[in-house]
Amino acid sequence: NAGVTQTPKFRILKIGQSMTLQCTQDMNHNYMYWYRQDPGMGLKLIYYSVGAGITDKGEVPNGYNVSRSTTEDFPLRLELAAPSQTSVYFCASTENTGELFFGEGSRLTVL
Amino acid sequence: AQSVTQLDSQVPVFEEAPVELRCNYSSSVSVYLFWYVQYPNQGLQLLLKYLSGSTLVKGINGFEAEFNKSQTSFHLRKPSVHISDTAEYFCAVRGMDSSYKLIFGSGTRLLVRP
Repeated sequence: NAGVTQTPKFRILKIGQSMTLQCTQDMNHNYMYWYRQDPGMGLKLIYYSVGAGITDKGEVPNGYNVSRSTTEDFPLRLELAAPSQTSVYFCASTENTGELFFGEGSRLTVL
Repeated sequence: AQSVTQLDSQVPVFEEAPVELRCNYSSSVSVYLFWYVQYPNQGLQLLLKYLSGSTLVKGINGFEAEFNKSQTSFHLRKPSVHISDTAEYFCAVRGMDSSYKLIFGSGTRLLVRP
């Protein structure tokens, strides 16, 4: 059972480039989340989704976009990368118990 | 909206000593509460959760936490720590409303020394 799979694990971007972080879960969970983790700041919620076709903003959505065309996939897009988006990104999913299952993270550096 | 405050950014402790990691939350509605652990270069794993019922919650690896509604706290405790408990610990809260947003605190690094 793969759980939550994130790709890529590492990426270096130049300022202004765009990219998509992929997230797939095989647990048939309705709820999916994207967080970013910065040292000493904990995890900040970027976007979340309560089901296919439904997304909503979290605490720090600016500079990001998401889509949820299927239950399994929840990609996160950066349109114009900025140094402030250098971070570790985690995707997570859950059913209704509240326990989140996390991917292994994607480390993004913007230079 | 909910928020979480973890009062200590780092807690050093000697092996086999007891430890308490503090967590306070703010919410206008009733809440569900969680503690997660993150080992280096890994994602987060659930330690324990409070959904309802007994305010003393037991989790994995000998950890427990107590929900105190009047003090809006959910402190994590372990009576005797091991070197392998060295990790970052995150408290998280979700409101019992229709939102499924899980909000995390800034984390506490537990450093267990021999």
